[in-house]
Amino acid sequence: AQSVTQLGSHVSVSEGALVLLRCNYSSSVPPYLFWYVQYPNQGLQLLLKYTSAATLVKGINGFEAEFKKSETSFHLTKPSAHMSDAAEYFCAVTLSGNTGKLIFGQGTTLQVKP
Amino acid sequence: KAGVTQTPRYLIKTRGQQVTLSCSPISGHRSVSWYQQTPGQGLQFLFEYFSETQRNKGNFPGRFSGRQFSNSRSEMNVSTLELGDSALYLCASRSLGGGREFMNTEAFFGQGTRLTVV
Repeated sequence: AQSVTQLGSHVSVSEGALVLLRCNYSSSVPPYLFWYVQYPNQGLQLLLKYTSAATLVKGINGFEAEFKKSETSFHLTKPSAHMSDAAEYFCAVTLSGNTGKLIFGQGTTLQVKP
Repeated sequence: KAGVTQTPRYLIKTRGQQVTLSCSPISGHRSVSWYQQTPGQGLQFLFEYFSETQRNKGNFPGRFSGRQFSNSRSEMNVSTLELGDSALYLCASRSLGGGREFMNTEAFFGQGTRLTVV
């Protein structure tokens, strides 16, 4: 079973519309969850990460994600899309405390239409 | 504070050749991981080094190898290149070494090396 699954390889929204990118994780993995963004020809940049301190996590550029254990989900949202949000987004999880290995979802490409 | 630096940014190699990619982590970071990114397979973990020791390896053939130096800089080597090795190779560094706190630590990524095998 996949450790993390992103539903929808491509999402298209209009500028100003709500952005919702879905990520579900396997209930067998510890909930050390991250969202990363990748702009064309760039590396990955952390948007936000889940800590047990709060289920609603705020990140950079107006993004936030809600950890829902009952649904094993960690969906990424932004109330109002901007053209500069067009990029590829990855949900990821760390499985073990003794390795730096990150398991990534398949990625979701966000297109923002004017 | 300088970020993760990968060199070179772009490489073109011929099938059968070998290649070495370099990664300089953020100062003070001792964990360095490598990932291969392709359109078909996405982001796949290659290996991780910590304090000059490989402590985890992904499911890649032995043609892929790496090492880490005492200053935490890391190199990965691919021998006998195949067309399918064409990919973006990303390096990431983390500040901590292990434990629960480490699991929640941000991985900082370099811009990657784009390898094209012809």
